[in-house]
Amino acid sequence: QKEVEQNSGPLSVPEGAIASLNCTYSDRGSQSFFWYRQYSGKSPELIMFIYSNGDKEDGRFTAQLNKASQYVSLLIRDSQPSDSATYLCAVEAGNNRKLIWGLGTSLAVNP
Amino acid sequence: GAGVSQSPSNKVTEKGKDVELRCDPISGHTALYWYRQSLGQGLEFLIYFQGNSAPDKSGLPSDRFSAERTGGSVSTLTIQRTQQEDSAVYLCASSFGQLSGNTIYFGEGSWLTVV
Repeated sequence: QKEVEQNSGPLSVPEGAIASLNCTYSDRGSQSFFWYRQYSGKSPELIMFIYSNGDKEDGRFTAQLNKASQYVSLLIRDSQPSDSATYLCAVEAGNNRKLIWGLGTSLAVNP
Repeated sequence: GAGVSQSPSNKVTEKGKDVELRCDPISGHTALYWYRQSLGQGLEFLIYFQGNSAPDKSGLPSDRFSAERTGGSVSTLTIQRTQQEDSAVYLCASSFGQLSGNTIYFGEGSWLTVV
């Protein structure tokens, strides 16, 4: 079992819709969880991080964490074509706090 | 500098040559990562430096790959006897490391092409 799993997609949503991206992880001791966005040919950039159960909102983005079920999700409200990118989930695990990455979910927002 | 700096930004080398890629992390960041990403693929972990601890080299794909970090700051990734399959973008990232929720910041990458 991979340590961090994401659906590779592509996930296609119409402009203005809610995009829902999911990530599951295997290490129950994980403390911190991150969502990064990567445009084609560019480096990943942080969208948000979360480390408490529940929801965390930042503008159009909401991260949701459920440690009991070992999943973290990202909701993007009012999706825009500029949101089209690959979304990477990263989980901090282990005593050395190394980040473990999923392979990413490709999102396409159609005008 | 304000961000993670990598050099060279682009490198074309002949098969069999050695290459060195440099990463200058954000000042004060104790953790440094090297990743490799081939076109359209996910991030492939290579090596992780955390403060004065022994580096986690578990991601290095072969003994042709090595990395060092001098003085807890600048890091160099060396690829010996390059092969065409080494062509990829090599990304460096850094963070404060020991803090919970330690956001990592990426450099712009070094694009390596082996011909």
